[in-house]
Formats: sequence, C-alpha cells, structure tokens
Amino acid sequence: NAGVIQTPRHKVTGKGQEATLWCEPISGHSAVFWYRQTIVQGLEFLTYFRNQAPIDDSGMPKERFSAQMPNQSHSTLKIQSTQPQDSAVYLCASSLGGGDSDYTFGSGTRLLVI
Amino acid sequence: GQQVQQSPTSLVLQEGENAELQCNFSTSLNSMQWFYQRPGGSLISVFYNPSGTKQSGRLTSTTVIKERRSSLHISSSQITDSGTYLCAMERAEGADRLTFGKGTQLIIQP
Repeated sequence: NAGVIQTPRHKVTGKGQEATLWCEPISGHSAVFWYRQTIVQGLEFLTYFRNQAPIDDSGMPKERFSAQMPNQSHSTLKIQSTQPQDSAVYLCASSLGGGDSDYTFGSGTRLLVI
Repeated sequence: GQQVQQSPTSLVLQEGENAELQCNFSTSLNSMQWFYQRPGGSLISVFYNPSGTKQSGRLTSTTVIKERRSSLHISSSQITDSGTYLCAMERAEGADRLTFGKGTQLIIQP
C-alpha cells in the first residue's frame, strides 16, 4: 500500500498560468477529498468525490477552480489563471467512504504562485 | 462560528512531562480523528477514534461523542513529539468530509 500519492510535490507558476495537481487514492477507497492548507486559514475543505461522482464542492472557489475524477485511480484539481493568493499546500485524502471511516492523506502539493 | 475548537493553541513542555490536548465540537459528530504534522510535512493519522479510549504506546485518545469532545494525552513526552496536532470531525449530518480544528502546536524542550 503506497498510500495516497500526490504529484507534483512542488509547483511554481507565474501569475495567470494554469496549474494541475494530481492525486492517486488508495486502491479500494471510494471517497476522495481535496483540501487546502495555509498558515492563515488552516485546513480548508475544497471538494470531494464518492465512487468518482462529485458530491460536495462547496469549498471550491467557483470561477477558477475545478476538480475531476475520470477514473477510480486518480483525481485532478485544476486552477486556471492562478493568483498569488492561491499559494498553499493542496492535500488529497481518501477513505473507504460511507461515513465513519478513517482518512489517509497524501504528502500534498506545495503550490507557489509568483 | 468555529465547529472544531482545539486547546491549547500552543504548549511548551520539558522532555518527560505529560501533554494533554483537547478538542471540542459544536455539532453532533459521527467520528473524529487526530492527526500529527511536522512543519512542511504531511498529515499523519494518529488515532481514528469515533468513541471510547484508544492507546498506542505513549499516546492515549479518549472521545466522548455525547459530550462532543476528544482528548489526546501524551505521556513522558519526547523531543520528537514536537509538531502540530490537529483534530478533525466527521459531522453527523452532511457527513463524509472532515472539518478540522486550527491545531495545537506542541514544543518539547530538552
């Protein structure tokens, strides 16, 4: 079990460019979550999928952020026209789903927008 | 208001002392989980503890769901225990996702 795999570990983009972050959940986990962590805001929920279907994207900034899960082995978080305030660590987690199950986090992608 | 309150915000102890971290929840919850994080590091699950008491080595977690609280006790603290401890809950309604507290920064001094 390699755990939740996130790539890249670090990404630097120029303001206005696009950034795509990847997540490979643990095999057999049906729920995949995206969070964002900053020093000021702490850990913020962005969105999650269950059995590849989007369930709750209430934490996503609507205009420039999008997430997909085209198959059960990976999910992507795309940020268009990146802004300096998007700089954060983006964390992906997976769980067995169905409520009442523990979560495993990936190592995160540290995004810096300059 | 904040749904997950952690206390203290920070805690400085001498090596060998015991640490007690608290987590209080403002809503009903299905389960909760404690995580550990070093600066720049990933979140490592310490305890998944929906209810009752769990122990792993020097760490003990006690969750009382009805009272909406959980605690993490670290006995005989070591310098390597230093880091941030975060608690998170899975709400009873609109569940599945975790809601995190702001964390307790633990510093163990020699």
